[in-house]
Amino acid sequence: LAKTTQPISMDSYEGQEVNITCSHNNIATNDYITWYQQFPSQGPRFIIQGYKTKVTNEVASLFIPADRKSSTLSLPRVSLSDTAVYYCLVGDLRYQKVTFGTGTKLQVIP
Amino acid sequence: DTGVSQDPRHKITKRGQNVTFRCDPISEHNRLYWYRQTLGQGPEFLTYFQNEAQLEKSRLLSDRFSAERPKGSFSTLEIQRTEQGDSAMYLCASSLADTGNTIYFGEGSWLTVV
Repeated sequence: LAKTTQPISMDSYEGQEVNITCSHNNIATNDYITWYQQFPSQGPRFIIQGYKTKVTNEVASLFIPADRKSSTLSLPRVSLSDTAVYYCLVGDLRYQKVTFGTGTKLQVIP
Repeated sequence: DTGVSQDPRHKITKRGQNVTFRCDPISEHNRLYWYRQTLGQGPEFLTYFQNEAQLEKSRLLSDRFSAERPKGSFSTLEIQRTEQGDSAMYLCASSLADTGNTIYFGEGSWLTVV
């Protein structure tokens, strides 16, 4: 599984757009990029997944440049309820042991 | 609710006792995973099943840990002779092996060994 690097923590005010970037220099051709959100004392929740370019759903957008060596999770107009840890994972999660790392702790401030 | 279900959600046990956690995956998901998560850390892989076959085990899964999925549906994770270091959240997840490149987690089972 490709190693990922993401910021340990981020702070943002309510209503702002938050961008969390993940570096994955050794991403393989068949690897997907997947982001999970985790609240305290709960299991990780799938947010979004992509392979290249841009993916958008009702929760977030995922931007992936052409070289795929990094990706950016974009959360529009965050609220206090978006305070959580966000994990970036790279690989085919069905067939590979998933390594979550410590994720990015996002704190949304009123 | 058709998500991954785990039971119990919380368990407090005395050191040396055995505990068992149950996981019911999303219906028709043939892959089932167990993870462990300690405070401040991300989830760590323990083991996974495809149907009833246990295909991989992490070295984190000591001899005191055993997981089963007897009929390819629900799974149990048993910890024998618990130690204080076993205190953690045990997460179960499931996926479809053939389609869909992601796994879905349950809410976790918290274990506290006193």
